[in-house]
Amino acid sequence: DVKVTQSSRYLVKRTGEKVFLECVQDMDHENMFWYRQDPGLGLRLIYFSYDVKMKEKGDIPEGYSVSREKKERFSLILESASTNQTSMYLCASSQGLAVDTQYFGPGTRLTVL
Amino acid sequence: ILNVEQSPQSLHVQEGDSTNFTCSFPSSNFYALHWYRWETAKSPEALFVMTLNGDEKKKGRISATLNTKEGYSYLYIKGSQPEDSATYLCAFNTGGFKTIFGAGTRLFVKA
Repeated sequence: DVKVTQSSRYLVKRTGEKVFLECVQDMDHENMFWYRQDPGLGLRLIYFSYDVKMKEKGDIPEGYSVSREKKERFSLILESASTNQTSMYLCASSQGLAVDTQYFGPGTRLTVL
Repeated sequence: ILNVEQSPQSLHVQEGDSTNFTCSFPSSNFYALHWYRWETAKSPEALFVMTLNGDEKKKGRISATLNTKEGYSYLYIKGSQPEDSATYLCAFNTGGFKTIFGAGTRLFVKA
């Protein structure tokens, strides 16, 4: 059974803290994604990775960085958390692009105080 | 800027009602249209992917149609059940790594 896991379901951090969100997939997928979801908006792509150490910026990369040291793991880093980064963060993976299904993790609800 | 619109934003129906939602997307540079189902506290799960104009897909009581020329897709649920309560997301792709998601239609089915 396909599985994408995220390190935390809920996280509360303070402004200025460095925050790590971890995502692991067990499907040997090439592609991994980080999205954020805010009320009234669709999922917005933060970063995409198509291979180990390879990444592409999505639509809203500002304030975020990513790391993919192993194929199965994709980390999202908030270098200095701000209140406007309070959101639901979803990780996904897929074998191919465009027509291929993305498999999502359960999400991390991050609150920055 | 590519935009995907879903309507309605939310919908309340009674058990047994049939319902449908709309997804509107740009009709140019179309490559694929996805529907996902996202239950509260769970991960979004794929329902359908459609690529050809006129495509129709069906899974149990849920079906979807696609019109790429006019840029819309419909999702139908026949005989809604409480377990159908979820947010239904539509997502549009032009062939690359970016998939544009709509804000979703939130369905509430009352027993």
